[in-house]
Amino acid sequence: AQKITQTQPGMFVQEKEAVTLDCTYDTSDPSYGLFWYKQPSSGEMIFLIYQGSYDQQNATEGRYSLNFQKARKSANLVISASQLGDSAMYFCAMREDQTGANNLFFGTGTRLTVIP
Amino acid sequence: GAVVSQHPSWVICKSGTSVKIECRSLDFQATTMFWYRQFPKQSLMLMATSNEGSKATYEQGVEKDKFLINHASLTLSTLTVTSAHPEDSSFYICSARPRGPYNEKLFFGSGTQLSVL
Repeated sequence: AQKITQTQPGMFVQEKEAVTLDCTYDTSDPSYGLFWYKQPSSGEMIFLIYQGSYDQQNATEGRYSLNFQKARKSANLVISASQLGDSAMYFCAMREDQTGANNLFFGTGTRLTVIP
Repeated sequence: GAVVSQHPSWVICKSGTSVKIECRSLDFQATTMFWYRQFPKQSLMLMATSNEGSKATYEQGVEKDKFLINHASLTLSTLTVTSAHPEDSSFYICSARPRGPYNEKLFFGSGTQLSVL
C-alpha cells in the first residue's frame, strides 16, 4: 500500500485566496512525522512545515498550516493568502520513527498554480 | 536555516562514463545522508541511506555496484554513477539529517540533473 497519497495532481488558486492540498498516509508505526516540501521549477526541495504524530496542536509556519486529523490519517496543507511565488510542486512526506532510518516516503505531489 | 550544497547542478555525459555528485552540509554535521532519484513529473524515490563511516544501505532494486555512495565525513557524501547509460538520466537529489536533538527536518540539496547521451 502507498504510504503517502496525494490525490490532486494539479490545483489552481486565485491570488490572495487560501488553498488546501490533500495528503493521506498509511502507517502502523505509533510514532511518525509528517512533512510538506515545496519544489519550484529549479528543483530544490524547500521544507515548509512539520507535524509530529504526538503533537496535540496543528503545526503552523507563517502562511502555512497543517490540518492534522490523526484518526482519519490525513495531513492536509493549507496555504493562506496565496502568492504568485507559491506556484510549484508540493510534496507530502512521512518518516516512520520505529524503523530508525529517518528516511522520508514521498507522495506523488500536487502542482499548484496561482492565478493572478 | 541549514544549507546543503549539491553539485554539479547539471551534467551531460557520454554513455559509459562515470559521474560523481557531491552533497555537502555547509553549516551542520550530518549523521545520515539520503540519496533520491526523481523522474520527470514523478515523486522522489529513495535510492540509498548513508551513514558516516559505514556502508550505505540501498533500497530494493537499486544496484549498489552502479551507484557508489561514499560518506567519508560528517559533512560530505558522494554518489558516483558508474558506467552511466541513457536510462540513468534523471534528477538526483540528496538530503541530510543534522546531528543532535530536534533533528526532525531533512535538508535537501538543490539537485543534479544528469543527462546521459
